[in-house]
Amino acid sequence: DVKVTQSSRYLVKRTGEKVFLECVQDMDHENMFWYRQDPGLGLRLIYFSYDVKMKEKGDIPEGYSVSREKKERFSLILESASTNQTSMYLCASSLAGGYNEQFFGPGTRLTVL
Amino acid sequence: KNEVEQSPQNLTAQEGEFITINCSYSVGISALHWLQQHPGGGIVSLFMLSSGKKKHGRLIATINIQEKHSSLHITASHPRDSAVYICAVSPILNGNKLVFGAGTILRVKS
Repeated sequence: DVKVTQSSRYLVKRTGEKVFLECVQDMDHENMFWYRQDPGLGLRLIYFSYDVKMKEKGDIPEGYSVSREKKERFSLILESASTNQTSMYLCASSLAGGYNEQFFGPGTRLTVL
Repeated sequence: KNEVEQSPQNLTAQEGEFITINCSYSVGISALHWLQQHPGGGIVSLFMLSSGKKKHGRLIATINIQEKHSSLHITASHPRDSAVYICAVSPILNGNKLVFGAGTILRVKS
C-alpha cells in the first residue's frame, strides 16, 4: 500500500520558533510538494521538489524554506514562525513527467501562538 | 477570477439522491483531477482524466475539453460520501503543478 507520512498530525508552536515539518514517501517518487490549506482559500503550493536537492518556489514561498537531501524525504522549514502561518500543511508526492496523480499525506495542523 | 471554479460551494443532500458537482477551468490542461477530503485532513485522488468519462463504483467523472468543464456525479448518495470534493487541473505548461478549485463541501443526511 503506497504511503506518504507526515511527522505530526498536530503541532503547537510559539511565535519566533523554528519549525520543521517532515514528509516521507515510500513510492520512489521523484516529485514532492508542500501545500497549505486555509478555509476559503483552498490548497496553495508552497514549494515543489523534482529531485534530490532541487526545488522550485510555489505560489506562497515567503516565510518558508525546504530541504530534500534524500529522495524519500522532503522537509518544510518555518525559519521564524508567525501567527499567520497557522494552517493545515499537506505534503504530496508523484512520479516525474508531464502530469501524474499526486498522493497526499494526512496533513499537519500547525497552530502558532 | 480563479483559474478553476467549482459549484456549488456547499451542498446538502438526502441519502439516496443523485449528486452533481461542477468544475470549470480557464487554462489549457493535460489532465483534470477530482480529489476527496474527509474531515480530519487526508486527501485521496478519486479520478484523473483527460477526456471522456470514468466510473468507479457509485462515482462518475466526465470532462468536456472543448467547453473546459468537468462534472463529478455521485449516484445513490450515502452519509459516508460527506466530504470536501476538490477539482484540480494539470496545466499544459507545467503539469506537475496542480491548480486547485476551492472545493465543494458535501453533506449527505440520512
